[in-house]
Amino acid sequence: KAGVTQTPRYLIKTRGQQVTLSCSPISGHRSVSWYQQTPGQGLQFLFEYFSETQRNKGNFPGRFSGRQFSNSRSEMNVSTLELGDSALYLCASSTKLGVEAFFGQGTRLTVV
Amino acid sequence: QQQVKQSPQSLIVQKGGISIINCAYENTAFDYFPWYQQFPGKGPALLIAIRPDVSEKKEGRFTISFNKSAKQFSLHIMDSQPGDSATYFCAASMGYGGSQGNLIFGKGTKLSVKP
Repeated sequence: KAGVTQTPRYLIKTRGQQVTLSCSPISGHRSVSWYQQTPGQGLQFLFEYFSETQRNKGNFPGRFSGRQFSNSRSEMNVSTLELGDSALYLCASSTKLGVEAFFGQGTRLTVV
Repeated sequence: QQQVKQSPQSLIVQKGGISIINCAYENTAFDYFPWYQQFPGKGPALLIAIRPDVSEKKEGRFTISFNKSAKQFSLHIMDSQPGDSATYFCAASMGYGGSQGNLIFGKGTKLSVKP
């Protein structure tokens, strides 16, 4: 069974640009969550989706948004990038919200 | 009240020893407590998880001990091996009981197992 796939693995963007990250969950998983990981703040919750509906959102500015498609694939978008957005962005999928969540390898975003 | 506090920040253990990592929480609505293992350059991998109606769960060399009254839980790694050297995160969520499954993570413990 294939794991959670995140693309791209690495990304370098300039301040002010926008970026879209993609996540393909494990087959059969309808729940997808996104997390930001930084050395200073650790793992912080961004948002979670179940069957195309956003169920919960973390404490991040409106520049961070996401969506889930009918095939459970998800994307997150960050607009007007700031240097502080440099982080590892992780996607996790599960059959039930947050329970037995499996993570992808992440997308390493660097904002210069 | 949503925090999960994890200690120690780093841990050095000799091969064959026992590694113990502790976590504490405040929100009694949490009903799911997983532990994740993360190697450099990789995403966190689910190691073992427990629900609050169980006081202990063992899977191979990994054991979670759960103390509901103290609102604490811990990970014990028996016979620690150099391959266990990684960062370990505890987490908590309300995934089983509610509509919010977001994981609240501890800050992580960097474990080094010396040969």
